[in-house]
Amino acid sequence: DIQMTQSPSSLSASVGDRVTITCRASQGISDYLAWYQQIPGKVPNLLIYAASTLQSGVPSRFSGSGSGTYFTLTINSLQPEDVATYYCQSYNSAPFTFGPGTKVDIK
Amino acid sequence: EVQLVESGGDLVQPGGSLRLSCAASGFIFSNYAMSWVRQAPGKGLEWVSVISGSGGSTYYVDSVKGRFTISRDDSKNTLYLQMNSLRAEDTAVYYCAKHRGSGNYYNAYDNWGQGTLVTVSS
Repeated sequence: DIQMTQSPSSLSASVGDRVTITCRASQGISDYLAWYQQIPGKVPNLLIYAASTLQSGVPSRFSGSGSGTYFTLTINSLQPEDVATYYCQSYNSAPFTFGPGTKVDIK
Repeated sequence: EVQLVESGGDLVQPGGSLRLSCAASGFIFSNYAMSWVRQAPGKGLEWVSVISGSGGSTYYVDSVKGRFTISRDDSKNTLYLQMNSLRAEDTAVYYCAKHRGSGNYYNAYDNWGQGTLVTVSS
């Protein structure tokens, strides 16, 4: 089974900062990688699929990159409404494992 | 508008059973793979199971194999999760999620239900 790791586990940044979260897969998954945002008390929301494709309706300050085993989620100009936990997920083969999450808050 | 509404969550004793349902609307249900994802209190997301659009293929996380069964009734636009031999570690909010793009299940989740809470405790 593929294992997913994320770093950092948490971060604190100022409004307007650029924030980058990394996700690594234990084996190559091509671009079968999604990023989700879960605001506290809310349901997860798809941000990015196919490693770098922005889901409809998601603000353009979110972007994804990577392929194979190394992926990044970048938030350009962090906003207060971006306070959330962010999860990566591989979906190239079952089990469709999630990463452990990265908690983002405002400094 | 896509809607996914879970039901069936409850307090159950260890060793007991529950059947979760997820009523879908706003899309051609039979065309899409569906998954169950759970989240234990204060913890991260854990993928549980997937069923293909045809219902012909299913997969499970190792921790539920032999205890949980995913199924679907396309005539009722409903997804199910039969949960047997429940354990304390199965306590979680269970979400149903729709895979984006009709066809196979090698795709991300573009819609999630609100979740239903399963508590396993004596």
